[in-house]
Amino acid sequence: EDKVVQSPLSLVVHEGDTVTLNCSYEVTNFRSLLWYKQEKKAPTFLFMLTSSGIEKKSGRLSSILDKKELFSILNITATQTGDSAVYLCAVVTGNQFYFGTGTSLTVIP
Amino acid sequence: DAGVIQSPRHEVTEMGQEVTLRCKPISGHNSLFWYRQTMMRGLELLIYFNNNVPIDDSGMPEDRFSAKMPNASFSTLKIQPSEPRDSAVYFCASSLIATGGIADTQYFGPGTRLTVL
Repeated sequence: EDKVVQSPLSLVVHEGDTVTLNCSYEVTNFRSLLWYKQEKKAPTFLFMLTSSGIEKKSGRLSSILDKKELFSILNITATQTGDSAVYLCAVVTGNQFYFGTGTSLTVIP
Repeated sequence: DAGVIQSPRHEVTEMGQEVTLRCKPISGHNSLFWYRQTMMRGLELLIYFNNNVPIDDSGMPEDRFSAKMPNASFSTLKIQPSEPRDSAVYFCASSLIATGGIADTQYFGPGTRLTVL
């Protein structure tokens, strides 16, 4: 059975800290891995990863995929209170999307 | 583009009533997804359409749930009869899936918060 597991489930940090969120997967016919940020509304897209070892970067956020070890990490440096959200990982297999349960990040001032 | 549009944004109904949720995908997208999100179960895919045809409805919880996509710009998710355990936020998302099945990202609508009393 295809599955996506995220860790940790929740995380509390202080402003300025760096965090690393993990997403591991066991799926057949992997196509891509997506990261989303969800605050009190619908998820918003962050990154799409298809190739191993190529870092995607947007400001203080970056992400990388390891297709051999079947995981991805999302890094956030110099965290701010506005980074507080649930971060969702989704794996695309053929035409299907499988979501993890998310990591809840709280950034304390 | 206005993005994915869902209506209503909030719905409160009584157990046993019929509920219809509506979604307008982004113009030009060929795939539409219905999700349900609860605290207990997280985000769950209910059903997925490609070119207006249901491809995978294995996530639909039971016969009380049905979804239609009569054309490329409109889809409905119907619950009949509704039950309190159906209370959740229902998201619609659309995507452009290219030939060969390579999926682009999904764009989510704002969601419909359903409360069944």
